[in-house]
Amino acid sequence: EDQVTQSPEALRLQEGESSSLNCSYTVSGLRGLFWYRQDPGKGPEFLFTLYSAGEEKEKERLKATLTKKESFLHITAPKPEDSATYLCAVQNGDKIIFGKGTRLHILP
Amino acid sequence: NAGVMQNPRHLVRRRGQEARLRCSPMKGHSHVYWYRQLPEEGLKFMVYLQKENIIDESGMPKERFSAEFPKEGPSILRIQQVVRGDSAAYFCASSGTDQETQYFGPGTRLLVL
Repeated sequence: EDQVTQSPEALRLQEGESSSLNCSYTVSGLRGLFWYRQDPGKGPEFLFTLYSAGEEKEKERLKATLTKKESFLHITAPKPEDSATYLCAVQNGDKIIFGKGTRLHILP
Repeated sequence: NAGVMQNPRHLVRRRGQEARLRCSPMKGHSHVYWYRQLPEEGLKFMVYLQKENIIDESGMPKERFSAEFPKEGPSILRIQQVVRGDSAAYFCASSGTDQETQYFGPGTRLLVL
């Protein structure tokens, strides 16, 4: 069964304290791995798509990497405005399977 | 360049009533997906539609739920005879093809009293 597991469930960091979020997945035929950001009361906002092991993408303080079994979202020197829930998802066919997310809180 | 639009943003219904949720995809997109998000749960796929066609409804409950995407107008997710367990946030996403990134709308938060 296709599955996406994210860890940790919640993470509190001081402003400027870098860290990584983990996304482990099992899927029969990976068509893409996605990272989204979701703020309270809003819809998921697209961040990255990764297609193959070894691929990396960056945007401002965020960097996403992909291996055959997991993906990491690295956050470098985060700011309070980076506080949100970060969702990982995999596509198999036309369906996207989401993890439960990591709630990130950056303290000023 | 308008994104995915959903309305209403909030909907309150009493048990037994009908709920209609609307989704207008991003301009140029013809693929629409509906997801449900329960508190403390991840987003769950419900249905995938193209214009006038349901492509995959494997995530839809067998009863009371239906979806359509007519030739003209928005996609509609319809829930008949709502129950308290239907209370959730319902999100719509759209893409240009089934292999492209899905972009999400702001969601409709349904509360069943």
